[in-house]
Order: sequence, then structure tokens, then C-alpha cells
Amino acid sequence: NAGVTQTPKFRILKIGQSMTLQCAQDMNHNYMYWYRQDPGMGLKLIYYSVGAGITDKGEVPNGYNVSRSTTEDFPLRLELAAPSQTSVYFCASSSSPLSRSSSYEQYFGPGTRLTVT
Amino acid sequence: GDSVTQMEGPVTLSEEAFLTINCTYTATGYPSLFWYVQYPGEGLQLLLKATKADDKGSNKGFEATYRKETTSFHLEKGSVQVSDSAVYFCALSGNTGFQKLVFGTGTRLLVSP
Repeated sequence: NAGVTQTPKFRILKIGQSMTLQCAQDMNHNYMYWYRQDPGMGLKLIYYSVGAGITDKGEVPNGYNVSRSTTEDFPLRLELAAPSQTSVYFCASSSSPLSRSSSYEQYFGPGTRLTVT
Repeated sequence: GDSVTQMEGPVTLSEEAFLTINCTYTATGYPSLFWYVQYPGEGLQLLLKATKADDKGSNKGFEATYRKETTSFHLEKGSVQVSDSAVYFCALSGNTGFQKLVFGTGTRLLVSP
């Protein structure tokens, strides 16, 4: 049971290049998330998905796209990299809530450190 | 909107010292509250949680009590170890039916021998 895995661990991009950050989980979780972590700013939600074929925007979606064709995978796409996208990106997953008042642990991957120059 | 405010770091302590990291929140309704820990080079791990007022979450010697009257969820540990050096994030999950986590900015803890 690997949990949440992310690739690559590190990447340097030039302005205008594109890339896909990979995320996979083997816990059969319906919910998956992408966050970015900027120094001193905490984590901000980029996109999330509540199941295969269903995605929605978080707080900071501009410049990113996602897809969710399977339960296991949730890739994040950067089409035209900009210096403002230099950050550490975390993928997370969780099981579905049983009710509106339920709260469930989110399991995080190890992160991808991206630098855009 | 919902928000979390936690004390700025770094917090520097000697081994076996008492730890408090303050966290306060703003939210409508009755959020669930969490402390996550991030060790160097790793992702976040759930440390403890509390889902209703007056609940106390605890794990690995850390504790936090959900205080609705003061909208606080302060993290405490009676005797820290060098291995506790990490960044600690306070977070809340609202009652919207979706598990969106709102994070504080994180507090770095440095424990010296």
C-alpha cells in the first residue's frame, strides 16, 4: 500500500513550457485534491475531484487544468508556465463523508517542487 | 469566508520543554479542526483532530481542545523531543458537505538537544 504518490519530485521549467504533475493513490478514495504551498502562505486548494469524471475549481485554479479519468489518478496540467507558479505542489486524497457533518482525514503525497525561470 | 490564524514561528525550544502553538479560527457553523505536521522533505500528516466543541484530540503526546467560546484549537505538548522538529499546520473543514480544508500559514518548531 503506497498511499499517495507524486512524480516528479523536482522540476525546473522555463517560462511558457508545459508539464503534467502526476498523482496516484491506491486507497480507493473518491476524493482527490491538488494544493500549492508557497513560503509562509500555508496551502491553497487548486482543484479537487469527488470521483472519476468530476472535477471542480478550488481557490487558485488559474493557469492549471485537471482531469480524473480513473479513481486512482488525478494529474495536474500546467499549460504555459509562469514564475508565479513556482511552488511546492501537494496531491491529497480522502474517503467520502457519510454525512454533511462528517470529517475525514486527507492523505498527502510527498510533494513536487517546481521552479519556473 | 473561513480562515485560520496561527502563531508565527519559528518556535525554538530545548528538549523536554513545554510547547504551545496557538491557533484561532473564523468559520460559520461548526467546523472540524485539525493539526497537521510536515517533517522536512515530506508531505503533511494528520496529527490530531476534533469534530465538535469541547472535544480533545490527542496523538503522540500532543493535545488540542476545541474551544468554541474562544474559537481556538491550541496545540500543546508537555515535553518536546528533537524528533518533534517540524512545521505544524492548523486547519479547519467547514460544514458545506465538501471536505475543503482551510489551512493556517504553519508554525515551524525547532527543538535543540
